[in-house]
Amino acid sequence: EADIYQTPRYLVIGTGKKITLECSQTMGHDKMYWYQQDPGMELHLIHYSYGVNSTEKGDLSSESTVSRIRTEHFPLTLESARPSHTSQYLCASRGTGFKSDEQFFGPGTRLTVL
Amino acid sequence: AQSVAQPEDQVNVAEGNPLTVKCTYSVSGNPYLFWYVQYPNRGLQFLLKYITGDNLVKGSYGFEAEFNKSQTSFHLKKPSALVSDSALYFCAVRDSGSARQLTFGSGTQLTVLP
Repeated sequence: EADIYQTPRYLVIGTGKKITLECSQTMGHDKMYWYQQDPGMELHLIHYSYGVNSTEKGDLSSESTVSRIRTEHFPLTLESARPSHTSQYLCASRGTGFKSDEQFFGPGTRLTVL
Repeated sequence: AQSVAQPEDQVNVAEGNPLTVKCTYSVSGNPYLFWYVQYPNRGLQFLLKYITGDNLVKGSYGFEAEFNKSQTSFHLKKPSALVSDSALYFCAVRDSGSARQLTFGSGTQLTVLP
C-alpha cells in the first residue's frame, strides 16, 4: 500500500466557497501530480511539481492553484468553488531511482459543489 | 507527442474465462508502458509495467501484459478471470526519450460475470 494520503475523502460545499484539498506522501518523492477525473472516465493532469517551489500546469486547464513548500505536501486550492468543479481529484507521486517509473496514487477526494 | 488508446469502454467476461483488455500507444521514442486498476471510490493501483527486456510482463493479481512493438500494443491479460477483477483499468504510456509525464488512456470497465 502506497503512503500517499488525501483529505478530505468526500466534500460537499456551496458555490463561492474557498477550498483546499490536501495531499501528503511519506515516501520522499520529488515528483507530485494532481489529476481530475469524472466518475468512470479518463484522468486529466491539471498540475504537477518536480520538487519544492516547482509547480506547472498540466494538460487540462484548471482554475485551481497548487503550492509545493515542502517535499511531502502538495495542496490544491480553489478560491471560489463552482458546480463545474464537481469531480474526483486524484493526487499522485513518483520518486527517482529503480522504482521511479511507478506512480503512486492517493485514494482521491470526491468534490461536489452545489 | 505521446498518446494511448483503449478501444473498448466495456469488457464483459464470464468468471473462469480468459480476459483481455486492449491498449495501443503512440510515442516518438521508446515507450514505457503501464497498467493501473481502479476500484470504486479508490485511487489507482499499479498493476505492471514494461520498460525493457522480455515482452511478456507479469504483474499483480495474476495479470500479465504483452508488449508488441510492431503493433504498438500492450494488451492486459489474465488466464482465468475472477469476479473480484471487476474494476476500471487504465493503460498509460511515457516516452522514455522526452516526456516526463504519463499519458493515460480513457479506461476500460471490466465486468466479470459469476
